[in-house]
Amino acid sequence: GIQVEQSPPDLILQEGANSTLRCNFSDSVNNLQWFHQNPWGQLINLFYIPSGTKQNGRLSATTVATERYSLLYISSSQTTDSGVYFCACRILTGGGNKLTFGTGTQLKVEL
Amino acid sequence: DTAVSQTPKYLVTQMGNDKSIKCEQNLGHDTMYWYKQDSKKFLKIMFSYNNKELIINETVPNRFSPKSPDKAHLNLHINSLELGDSAVYFCASSQDGRAPYNEQFFGPGTRLTVL
Repeated sequence: GIQVEQSPPDLILQEGANSTLRCNFSDSVNNLQWFHQNPWGQLINLFYIPSGTKQNGRLSATTVATERYSLLYISSSQTTDSGVYFCACRILTGGGNKLTFGTGTQLKVEL
Repeated sequence: DTAVSQTPKYLVTQMGNDKSIKCEQNLGHDTMYWYKQDSKKFLKIMFSYNNKELIINETVPNRFSPKSPDKAHLNLHINSLELGDSAVYFCASSQDGRAPYNEQFFGPGTRLTVL
């Protein structure tokens, strides 16, 4: 099956700093989503981005499908950005319609 | 105006018991899913239903039985609970999981603790 790898596994930032989270995947995909799991356990949809670039406030994401990676940019980080960031992919052919998740990036933003 | 809802939010029970988790979506989607998040926060698909038809059963013990009475509801029944079943269970939905380019939306999760 598809392998989804995220880096870094852990990240500590000072409030106001910028960061880039990376997601590498091992096969062609027709769905790639970024999620934020907040400290209360909720999975929040950040981006649906099988290809291209999207921006939403301080967050933006880019997926280069031909090179099998996606990047999530967080600018001017805030303490409320803390939590785990997951990338999840759906394989293009075969594998059904399931999302395969990466192991996540644990982010802590400090004052 | 909750999109995907689950009940209960927390479930604490003894080993050997049988329990159910319910999920409902009001997005008008055809496809619903159950995912399991283990203690290391790893998320993995368990089941997927499209319009009440099972389309994914991902090597889950047969103590787990999903049931979809209609396309807006997908329930998960677990028999003879074991300690290893302790996890957070997430329900999700998408417009048509058989089609490409479908975004999935997740419920708030049910934290199951087996004692």
